[in-house]
Amino acid sequence: QITLKESGPTLVKPTETLTLTCTFSGFSLSTTGVGVGWIRQPPGRALECLAVIYWDDSKHYSPFLQSRLTITKDTSKKQVVLTLTDVAPVDTGTYFCAQFISGTKFDYWGQGALVTVSS
Amino acid sequence: DIQMTQSPSTLSASVGDSVIITCRASQTILYSLAWYQHKQGQSPKLLISTASSLRHEVPARFGGRGSGTEFTLTISGLQPEDSATYYCQQLKSFPYTFGQGTKLEVK
Repeated sequence: QITLKESGPTLVKPTETLTLTCTFSGFSLSTTGVGVGWIRQPPGRALECLAVIYWDDSKHYSPFLQSRLTITKDTSKKQVVLTLTDVAPVDTGTYFCAQFISGTKFDYWGQGALVTVSS
Repeated sequence: DIQMTQSPSTLSASVGDSVIITCRASQTILYSLAWYQHKQGQSPKLLISTASSLRHEVPARFGGRGSGTEFTLTISGLQPEDSATYYCQQLKSFPYTFGQGTKLEVK
């Protein structure tokens, strides 16, 4: 059974760094073709793909956020960590992590973590 | 970036009806398209990948077609539980952009 779960702070102050952890089970991030991605949804808006890390440790970042984003993986701990620096209220939203398969789909998703950026 | 445009933005239909949601890409994405169903307070659920491959356990009333720049999601025999927002997503090149969503209400 494949599961993913996001964890991290629910409230972050402007200019601080947001660190979110995705803990997964039921698959390995060392399997060829497998990745984990982060997708967010601001309130009332559409989904936005932020970053993906792949089995070979290659990474993709949203061009709009690339300077502020870092994604890393710990294969043995089955965790993927996303950091977003210098947050602002526009970064408020629900952050999902999801299993990425062979360049074709985000198959299994976590329940999402609601993050509010406010002073 | 590849822009994805969905239409309509909102849709209302009755139980048993069929609806079609359209997704257009700003450049060709071949068959690299997925459809997701998203209900409020839940995580998005994958319905279809590679434009037309139905995910296991997804009811057969969901169907995807298209290639290149034009794609459709058809839902036949609507059920009340189909009320949700539906998103298309291109996976041809990063960032893997989503459409703006189509909110479906089943009455």
